Amino acid sequence: NAGVTQTPKFQVLKTGQSMTLQCAQDMNHNSMYWYRQDPGMGLRLIYYSASEGTTDKGEVPNGYNVSRLNKREFSLRLESAAPSQTSVYFCASSDRGQAKAFFGQGTRLTVV
Amino acid sequence: QQPVQSPQAVILREGEDAVINCSSSKALYSVHWYRQKHGEAPVFLMILLKGGEQKGHDKISASFNEKKQQSSLYLTASQLSYSGTYFCGTQDTGRIALTFGSGTRLQVQP
Repeated sequence: NAGVTQTPKFQVLKTGQSMTLQCAQDMNHNSMYWYRQDPGMGLRLIYYSASEGTTDKGEVPNGYNVSRLNKREFSLRLESAAPSQTSVYFCASSDRGQAKAFFGQGTRLTVV
Repeated sequence: QQPVQSPQAVILREGEDAVINCSSSKALYSVHWYRQKHGEAPVFLMILLKGGEQKGHDKISASFNEKKQQSSLYLTASQLSYSGTYFCGTQDTGRIALTFGSGTRLQVQP
């Protein structure tokens, strides 16, 4: 049982480059989320998708876009990476909003 | 707005107890608690729903005072395995996503 799978696990980008972080869950969950984690800041919500076909902004959406490709997959895109986007990115999913969230293992992104 | 967690860090000896607090300025529907070990993903501990309930999980329990928008996590007779960073995640009424606090770093020493 894989749970939530994120790819890649590590990535180094140059300023201005673009990339897409992939996330897939195999638990048939309706809701999916993208968080970023910076030292001392906890987990901050970037975007979320309450159900297939819907997406909403979180606390820190600037510089990011998302796509809920289907019920299983939720991708995060950086169009023009900036050093301020250096962070660890976590994808999570839950069956519904009040249910426990399962997190992927994270993507450690460095923008130089 | 992020919930406020306190303390920011705590060091315990095995067998000692600890309390971690989480407070919000918003009316809450639920509070979630997660633990994260270094270099790993956060792992779910428990959910407390509106209604002032108290829950327990082994020697870890929590309470939720919805009138004060506060939750507390109680760790009793701590074990080395309890070490990690604890996050509370709050859910506002009508909002599906969680807002996390900045975390409490707990270190249990032999």
